Amino acid sequence: DMKVTQMPRYLIKRMGENVLLECGQDMSHETMYWYRQDPGLGLQLIYISYDVDSNSEGDIPKGYRVSRKKREHFSLILDSAKTNQTSVYFCASSFGGNSGNTLYFGEGSRLIVV
Amino acid sequence: QQQVRQSSQSLTVWEGETAILNCSYENSAFDYFPWYQQFPGEGPALLIAIRSVSDKKEDGRFTIFFNKREKNLSLHIKDSQPGDSATYFCAASAPSSGQKLVFGQGTILKVYL
Repeated sequence: DMKVTQMPRYLIKRMGENVLLECGQDMSHETMYWYRQDPGLGLQLIYISYDVDSNSEGDIPKGYRVSRKKREHFSLILDSAKTNQTSVYFCASSFGGNSGNTLYFGEGSRLIVV
Repeated sequence: QQQVRQSSQSLTVWEGETAILNCSYENSAFDYFPWYQQFPGEGPALLIAIRSVSDKKEDGRFTIFFNKREKNLSLHIKDSQPGDSATYFCAASAPSSGQKLVFGQGTILKVYL
């Protein structure tokens, strides 16, 4: 079954707390992504990972870091969360290689920072 | 600067009409243009995609028209159904982009009975 699973689906944190968003995929995809979705802004790429310990910044990496120690698992970490990081976060995965591969998205993790 | 721009934040059509969603882009190096469909509470899913060597791609009721010279494309949804009500994202990537996909802001489509 081709699936991207995100945990947790909903999270409320206080400003300054640490946040861990986790993502898993069962398709053996090399490439994984973290996007955030905000109204009027669409999906913005935070980080991309090409394989284990091979991560690259996206368009809005500030305030975030990632970890990929297993091919099937990709984590997004917010050290000291800020209110402007309130958003819906989507993880996605795809086959590696050339551009033009289909991205498979999880159902999203809604984070509220108060 | 928005590299991929969708001209309408929302669009409303009646059942049976053709919905037309427009998209433009800045980067001439973009060569792959997928459209993703997202229902509330779900992640986006690939709907249809086109490469810049083509000017049209059709899949059932969904057609992409692509104009490389004008750097724009449109998604036509023929015979729109209430079940097509969703947010549609235009996206683009370039061969040199390292698999990074850039998304537009999204267009919310509502199809009324």
